[in-house]
Amino acid sequence: EADIYQTPRYLVIGTGKKITLECSQTMGHDKMYWYQQDPGMELHLIHYSYGVNSTEKGDLSSESTVSRIRTEHFPLTLESARPSHTSQYLCASSDPTGGDLDEQFFGPGTRLTVL
Amino acid sequence: AQSVTQLGSHVSVSEGALVLLRCNYSSSVPPYLFWYVQYPNQGLQLLLKYTTGATLVKGINGFEAEFKKSETSFHLTKPSAHMSDAAEYFCAVSDQGDDKIIFGKGTRLHILP
Repeated sequence: EADIYQTPRYLVIGTGKKITLECSQTMGHDKMYWYQQDPGMELHLIHYSYGVNSTEKGDLSSESTVSRIRTEHFPLTLESARPSHTSQYLCASSDPTGGDLDEQFFGPGTRLTVL
Repeated sequence: AQSVTQLGSHVSVSEGALVLLRCNYSSSVPPYLFWYVQYPNQGLQLLLKYTTGATLVKGINGFEAEFKKSETSFHLTKPSAHMSDAAEYFCAVSDQGDDKIIFGKGTRLHILP
């Protein structure tokens, strides 16, 4: 069973606030990912990391930033939330060296609403 | 560039009937193919995946999918639907050796009593 956690699960916040979405995994995976998911739409990769101190932007441009100071932790930050940031954010991790090439394990998601 | 097309954003089947969710992909190199399921208010869970070898892949919960290279398809099937199968299903593709996965828009499966 995948052990990847996201907090908070739901967040309603006002415009202009700074928010951090937490993502942690206990599997020791090097690779971690953030996806944005809108209803009825595909998942869009917004950030990924190959390991500690590695962060890359994904295919979908995002105003959020990420950091990877520890292997198990990959937080996403919005400095100033706007209504256009309202979405579901999914965190995932993978470890191809473990034998299951490219299988990504997903957290439960954070549903963000910006008023 | 890779892409995934899932035919039908909503599919309804009666309990006990065959489930068929369609997925077509495009990839310039041999792909890895995946089906994920998402239950309400949860993250995605891997149902099954094709990497190499046997083209008929069996997954969890009685689902299976067949990789058909000539049709660039990877349709998901289950012989007999259960109420618990109601969820959103995502088809996904990645190039072999690439750690990025491209997802389709998803198909919401409704099970009718």
